[in-house]
Amino acid sequence: AQKVTQAQTEISVVEKEDVTLDCVYETRDTTYYLFWYKQPPSGELVFLIRRNSFDEQNEISGRYSWNFQKSTSSFNFTITASQVVDSAVYFCALIPGDNYGQNFVFGPGTRLSVLP
Amino acid sequence: EPEVTQTPSHQVTQMGQEVILRCVPISNHLYFYWYRQILGQKVEFLVSFYNNEISEKSEIFDDQFSVERPDGSNFTLKIRSTKLEDSAMYFCASNLNRGYTFGSGTRLTVV
Repeated sequence: AQKVTQAQTEISVVEKEDVTLDCVYETRDTTYYLFWYKQPPSGELVFLIRRNSFDEQNEISGRYSWNFQKSTSSFNFTITASQVVDSAVYFCALIPGDNYGQNFVFGPGTRLSVLP
Repeated sequence: EPEVTQTPSHQVTQMGQEVILRCVPISNHLYFYWYRQILGQKVEFLVSFYNNEISEKSEIFDDQFSVERPDGSNFTLKIRSTKLEDSAMYFCASNLNRGYTFGSGTRLTVV
């Protein structure tokens, strides 16, 4: 079965704090793809990152960084020096398998509130 | 940058009415999808479409739903007789070689 768990339903931090959003996934496939999306209050899904199962290198993009650990089936997302504009719901998602057309399995999301 | 366009952005309909949600995928993409997000919940897969037919559908996608690519540019989701519980944000997506792009969504409100 394919599943994505985001154990943190809601997180509140004060601006400039660092915050880590957890994501744990389940799949039997050896090839799979992991994603993070941001959903601001306006409702659209904003792509943040894609990572394939063969690439365990951590990635940093500005204030964002991602830690992919196959050994624990986790793909955690850290925002450094958070800002009010980071307030949103963040979804971790999985595409299992090697089929080009495979659909997403989304986690339940973590609502992040960054307070001024 | 190419976009997936969804219209309308917000639609209000009466229970029992038929509604058609429209999407224009990116022109060279081959796979098309509809996802649903009930307010405050996660995004759920409804259906995928490839080569002019449904390739996969979830248990949510029952006989009340249908999809069509009527002209080679539009991709539509029809709900035959809407229920209150169909109120949700509906996202269209398209994909080429795992380059997925989501539209900005249509918020459907059934009253």
